[in-house]
Formats: sequence, C-alpha cells, structure tokens
Amino acid sequence: AQTVTQSQPEMSVQEAETVTLSCTYDTSESNYYLFWYKQPPSRQMILVIRQEAYKQQNATENRFSVNFQKAAKSFSLKISDSQLGDTAMYFCALIMDSNYQLIWGAGTKLIIKP
Amino acid sequence: SAVISQKPSRDICQRGTSLTIQCQVDSQVTMMFWYRQQPGQSLTLIATANQGSEATYESGFVIDKFPISRPNLTFSTLTVSNMSPEDSSIYLCSVDLTGAKETQYFGPGTRLLVL
Repeated sequence: AQTVTQSQPEMSVQEAETVTLSCTYDTSESNYYLFWYKQPPSRQMILVIRQEAYKQQNATENRFSVNFQKAAKSFSLKISDSQLGDTAMYFCALIMDSNYQLIWGAGTKLIIKP
Repeated sequence: SAVISQKPSRDICQRGTSLTIQCQVDSQVTMMFWYRQQPGQSLTLIATANQGSEATYESGFVIDKFPISRPNLTFSTLTVSNMSPEDSSIYLCSVDLTGAKETQYFGPGTRLLVL
C-alpha cells in the first residue's frame, strides 16, 4: 500500500527565515507525482508545487522549492524568505500513474511569526 | 488552473436531515472528486464522479449515505444523508483538469456542523 508520512506536526519560524518541511512516501510503482498543498485558515486547498517522479530536476516555484530524493523516497519542501501569509497547514500528497487517488500525509502546521 | 465554487460555504444542520453540496467549475472537466476532511485531519476521498457514469466510492463510503450526481461536465452534487454529529467535517470537491493525473484543483470547501 502507498503511504505518505509527514513527521513534523507543527513548526514555527520567524518571518524572512527559511524553513524546510519533511515528507517521506512509500510506493512500489515507478511512475507517480508528488505534490505540496497549502491550506490556510480559510480552508481553501491550494497547490504549492508538484514534481513528476521521472524528472530528476527539483521543481521550483518562486520562493518554494523541493528536494526530491527518489531513492530515499523523500520529498521535502523549502520555503525561502518566509512571509506571514505562508502560515497554513501544508500537506504532502502522492498520486500514482495507475489511478486517480491522492494519498495524503497528515499535514504540518506552519506558523510564521512576525 | 480552474475556478471552482461550492455552495453552501457552511451550514449547521440537525441530526437526521440531509444536505446537498454543489460544486461548480468554470471549465469542462471529466473527473471530479469529493473529499471529506474531519477536524484536524487530512483529506479522505469519498468518491470519484465522472460525467455519464455512476460514481465510484472508496472503502467505507456508500451511495445510500453519500449520493452523488454528475449531470454535466461542469457540475456535481454530493448529498450527506441522514446526518449525525460524526458527519461534521469540511467537504471539498476537486477536479483533474487534464485527466492526466498531473494536478487536482480544489474548491473552497463546505464546512458542515451537525447538531
């Protein structure tokens, strides 16, 4: 069975600092996609970044970047120059090429302090 | 991306009643999904709704409790039937724009409280 594990229930950093959120996953399939979603208090689930497993290059999206280690099945999210608006729950998710079901981690609550 | 709206945004309901949640997308999509997010938890897939076919339910969810309609490529409804306090959750719809499993985009969610 596929699983996604986020081992940090909560993190807090000062504004403008860099923070890294951890995610590990397990799947026996070779083709899959990985995602980081952000859910602020408004509860809207917002896509932050995505990574195709067949791509070796780490995805980046402005201040957000990932460290994708396929052999280690690790997919961490780095947020640079953190802003107050980054305060949210962050979920790591996995989807296999063989079906449409997103497998979700438990989430990490990120608090950016002024 | 896509603009996805849900109605209602929140509701408070009495035990034993039913609530229908609507999900509207601004473009035609083949695959729509319904999720439940219980307080403090991650998302759990309820069912996949494809236009022109019966919804496919995940383990633990049944059609009698969560009937779904998908009358066209831009709209779907989820009904939470015979509600109990355990149904208090956020219900979210999502869409796969391309059908290529690349990304699911989510609606704003419906917060349901059952008394």
